[in-house]
Amino acid sequence: EPEVTQTPSHQVTQMGQEVILRCVPISNHLYFYWYRQILGQKVEFLVSFYNNEISEKSEIFDDQFSVERPDGSNFTLKIRSTKLEDSAMYFCASSVYATNSPLHFGNGTRLTVT
Amino acid sequence: KNEVEQSPQNLTAQEGEFITINCSYSVGISALHWLQQHPGGGIVSLFMLSSGKKKHGRLIATINIQEKHSSLHITASHPRDSAVYICAPTQSNFGNEKLTFGTGTRLTIIP
Repeated sequence: EPEVTQTPSHQVTQMGQEVILRCVPISNHLYFYWYRQILGQKVEFLVSFYNNEISEKSEIFDDQFSVERPDGSNFTLKIRSTKLEDSAMYFCASSVYATNSPLHFGNGTRLTVT
Repeated sequence: KNEVEQSPQNLTAQEGEFITINCSYSVGISALHWLQQHPGGGIVSLFMLSSGKKKHGRLIATINIQEKHSSLHITASHPRDSAVYICAPTQSNFGNEKLTFGTGTRLTIIP
């Protein structure tokens, strides 16, 4: 069964550094999402992306975050200048449609900012 | 802001028992997801529903939009069902967007 893949599984970076988290959604999916989960807390929505544009974003998704689909397969989340509080598990997800279509999640990238 | 409450927060049951997990939310929604998070952290989508009831194998999900309440039931529970179950409603017109996640119910099934 096709799956969403995320790389790396674990990333350690120093505060202030830029990081790029990578995701390969399922090939025929059109909608892409990023979520994050700080250790011990709820999963939080960050952003949704369709047709090379952000379609929804949360209050968390401020100017230090950006998303991109640089080619036909990858979907990336960039954090420009990481802070300690960005340490979390970041999940990518995709779906065929925006409604009535199950979400498929990747296994996540654990980001540790030191 | 949509407040999402799940109960119970933790549930331990014997193998074979019928399990019910409840989810209440404060704001009218367009759809609600039930998700399963494994101990390793991976998330699997179980259901998305906007009305009525859905069944998949031993899992059943129901939603009452007027009462702002949804339930997830597991029949004939098995140790492999042990996981955190999360409900996530959305107010977006597009059912997969801008989900608000509950804190989850940690289910442990004892053989």
